Amino acid sequence: GENVEQHPSTLSVQEGDSAVIKCTYSDSASNYFPWYKQELGKGPQLIIDIRSNVGEKKDQRIAVTLNKTAKHFSLHITETQPEDSAVYFCAVPLGGSQGNLIFGKGTKLSVKP
Amino acid sequence: KAGVTQTPRYLIKTRGQQVTLSCSPISGHRSVSWYQQTPGQGLQFLFEYFSETQRNKGNFPGRFSGRQFSNSRSEMNVSTLELGDSALYLCASSLAANEQFFGPGTRLTVL
Repeated sequence: GENVEQHPSTLSVQEGDSAVIKCTYSDSASNYFPWYKQELGKGPQLIIDIRSNVGEKKDQRIAVTLNKTAKHFSLHITETQPEDSAVYFCAVPLGGSQGNLIFGKGTKLSVKP
Repeated sequence: KAGVTQTPRYLIKTRGQQVTLSCSPISGHRSVSWYQQTPGQGLQFLFEYFSETQRNKGNFPGRFSGRQFSNSRSEMNVSTLELGDSALYLCASSLAANEQFFGPGTRLTVL
């Protein structure tokens, strides 16, 4: 079945620096790659996603890049702010069904003021 | 639009009991998925319902079941609770084939 590996598990940066989180997946048929942010006591919030027909997508300070050949995708956060501190998850749909997401183990991002 | 709502938010049960959790999706969303989140296993898919039919099922024992009603609201049930069932149970809704939006979750504690 699909396997998703996410690195690093923890990341600490200074405010204003950039943060990069990477995920690798195993199923070459996967075609949808979302990233979620989870704050304490809340459910995961979709922050950006990308489909397999594009290599990069950007939304203000957040971007996602996809390398289908290498089967990995990355989340890039620029000009980090303390409110970016949270746990970030990547996910890949199992068997092409977007109702069944396989999640990475998460990255705890800490942004120090 | 109102987001995904889940009730109750917190629940304490004892081993052997059963529990029912409820999820109301975003208006117009017909797909509802359930996930279990624990510190050790992370986020794991339980099942997905679309138009009252279970469309996908994760690798969980038969004690975990669910259903969806004609108004797309969904419930999940866990029978014969075990200590290891303590977790945050998350519900997510989506349009037919789009991004999933999560509710705040139900925190279940089994004593």
